Amino acid sequence: DSGVTQTPKHLITATGQRVTLRCSPRSGDLSVYWYQQSLDQGLQFLIQYYNGEERAKGNILERFSAQQFPDLHSELNLSSLELGDSALYFCASSVGAGVSTDTQYFGPGTRLTVL
Amino acid sequence: AQKVTQAQTEISVVEKEDVTLDCVYETRDTTYYLFWYKQPPSGELVFLIRRNSFDEQNEISGRYSWNFQKSTSSFNFTITASQVVDSAVYFCALSGVYNQGGKLIFGQGTELSVKP
Repeated sequence: DSGVTQTPKHLITATGQRVTLRCSPRSGDLSVYWYQQSLDQGLQFLIQYYNGEERAKGNILERFSAQQFPDLHSELNLSSLELGDSALYFCASSVGAGVSTDTQYFGPGTRLTVL
Repeated sequence: AQKVTQAQTEISVVEKEDVTLDCVYETRDTTYYLFWYKQPPSGELVFLIRRNSFDEQNEISGRYSWNFQKSTSSFNFTITASQVVDSAVYFCALSGVYNQGGKLIFGQGTELSVKP
């Protein structure tokens, strides 16, 4: 158990809908990262927050947004869902701002299925 | 640009065999970090090791060992006396110190199947 929690574990929804994925980092970690794992794209970095502020952005779609709250938990919002958004979404956390010295510990993931 | 290549998509071995998973990386950074993660059938990503670009010493942890060779830009992972529980997808990842934040660049993964 990495100490990173993600809810829900599974999510099934329809095209055009909006969902929210939630992540709680390990105790003491200030950075939260979101990654998407799909069969065609592999593991792709989406976005990072550090202590409430956006720190780095990857190839995150405009339909997706995230935030980190004062208690350091993070939410990833996916809207206008398409079939291709079906994937495993991971949250990871690390102690610092992530200037490569940190180890990222991953949560169990949320499997999103868009029908 | 940064890139990680795991050329072996799938490997199948019989229990107790040794197996090496290859990882080749590309980066222009002089300071960078390399990682290996394990993804068992249950789906979570489990951290195995982190090495920085200045430390080329090989590392051994139980049945696991890692061979980092800067000259060939490789960071290979060997499992000695493999066991069925080692069956998983293994990912090699790279993070450059000049990346924005600490994003990880992952390889495509190698699926290891250890048969009894």
